[in-house]
Amino acid sequence: NAGVTQTPKFQVLKTGQSMTLQCAQDMNHNSMYWYRQDPGMGLRLIYYSASEGTTDKGEVPNGYNVSRLNKREFSLRLESAAPSQTSVYFCASAYSGGSTDTQYFGPGTRLTVL
Amino acid sequence: AQSVAQPEDQVNVAEGNPLTVKCTYSVSGNPYLFWYVQYPNRGLQFLLKYITGDNLVKGSYGFEAEFNKSQTSFHLKKPSALVSDSALYFCAVRDVEYGNKLVFGAGTILRVKS
Repeated sequence: NAGVTQTPKFQVLKTGQSMTLQCAQDMNHNSMYWYRQDPGMGLRLIYYSASEGTTDKGEVPNGYNVSRLNKREFSLRLESAAPSQTSVYFCASAYSGGSTDTQYFGPGTRLTVL
Repeated sequence: AQSVAQPEDQVNVAEGNPLTVKCTYSVSGNPYLFWYVQYPNRGLQFLLKYITGDNLVKGSYGFEAEFNKSQTSFHLKKPSALVSDSALYFCAVRDVEYGNKLVFGAGTILRVKS
């Protein structure tokens, strides 16, 4: 049982390049999330998908887009990378997204933008 | 908006001694509180959560947390620390905004010395 998987693990981009971070879960969860982790700031929500076919902005969505490809997969795209997007990106999933539901996290993607 | 605070950037404890990692919260409504652990270059692993009921919550790897409504605290504890417990610990609270996102504290580094 893999849980939440993310690819790639590491990536270095130049300013202006684009890339897509992939996330998949095999727990039959309905809700999926993308967070970024910056030193001393905990994690902040970028986008989320409450269920297949829906996506919504989180608290820091600027510079990102997402696609909920199917129930399992939720991708995050950087159209034109900026140094401020250097961060560690975590995908998470939850069964229903309800207030008492536990979110389970993937191993993360460490992104550096030069 | 909901928030959590982790007042200590780092906690040092000797192996075999009890450990406490502190967390205080500020919420409107019922608090749904979580603890996660992050080992180096790994994703976040769920430890435990408080939803309702017993103020002492037991979780994974021998950890427990005490919910105190009057002090608005949710401290993580373990009776006897192991060197392998050394990691970054995050307290989080559920926020009804953004699909019931998690609001994270800045994290506390726990170092257990042998």
